[in-house]
Amino acid sequence: AQSVTQPDIHITVSEGASLELRCNYSYGATPYLFWYVQSPGQGLQLLLKYFSGDTLVQGIKGFEAEFKRSQSSFNLRKPSVHWSDAAEYFCAVGDYNFNKFYFGSGTKLNVKP
Amino acid sequence: GAVVSQHPSWVICKSGTSVKIECRSLDFQATTMFWYRQFPKQSLMLMATSNEGSKATYEQGVEKDKFLINHASLTLSTLTVTSAHPEDSSFYICSARQGDGQPQHFGDGTRLSIL
Repeated sequence: AQSVTQPDIHITVSEGASLELRCNYSYGATPYLFWYVQSPGQGLQLLLKYFSGDTLVQGIKGFEAEFKRSQSSFNLRKPSVHWSDAAEYFCAVGDYNFNKFYFGSGTKLNVKP
Repeated sequence: GAVVSQHPSWVICKSGTSVKIECRSLDFQATTMFWYRQFPKQSLMLMATSNEGSKATYEQGVEKDKFLINHASLTLSTLTVTSAHPEDSSFYICSARQGDGQPQHFGDGTRLSIL
């Protein structure tokens, strides 16, 4: 069965500190992986996506993610967090045609000044 | 580019009324639009997929007669919550894509509160 697990519901980091948000997936076919960010009361903005090739993917706002097939993981990282990064982050897995997206339950990020 | 607009952004209405939510692709033609529902502190759940000019395909457990979806043009899809009740209160998000293999672009969502 297809599923996405984000084990951390809530993370708090200090501004300037590094960040890693975890994502594990279960998918029967070749996974196409995504990270989205959602600000309060708003829709989703795509941060980055992985289809194939280099397993380290660069995204917008200084984010990157690494695909590790052996661990079925696609963790999101940022070397130095800014206060404006406070939001909820969703990992998703989808098929090639983008017909079905399976979202994780989200990780809410708080940033301390 | 690839902007998706939802209207309204927030609606409060009485139990028993019907509510229509619009999803528009502003700068591209969307052959397929998706409707999601998000409960508080939970993830997005796909409700239905609609292709322009065709009937929507609903996910298991979603009531077709309750959530009417129309995708009459390449830039507009509507979700009508019929005879809404408090348990229908939720955050509804649409997304749109140009075609197969193209990414989904999400709207800003509509917060629906039923009193």
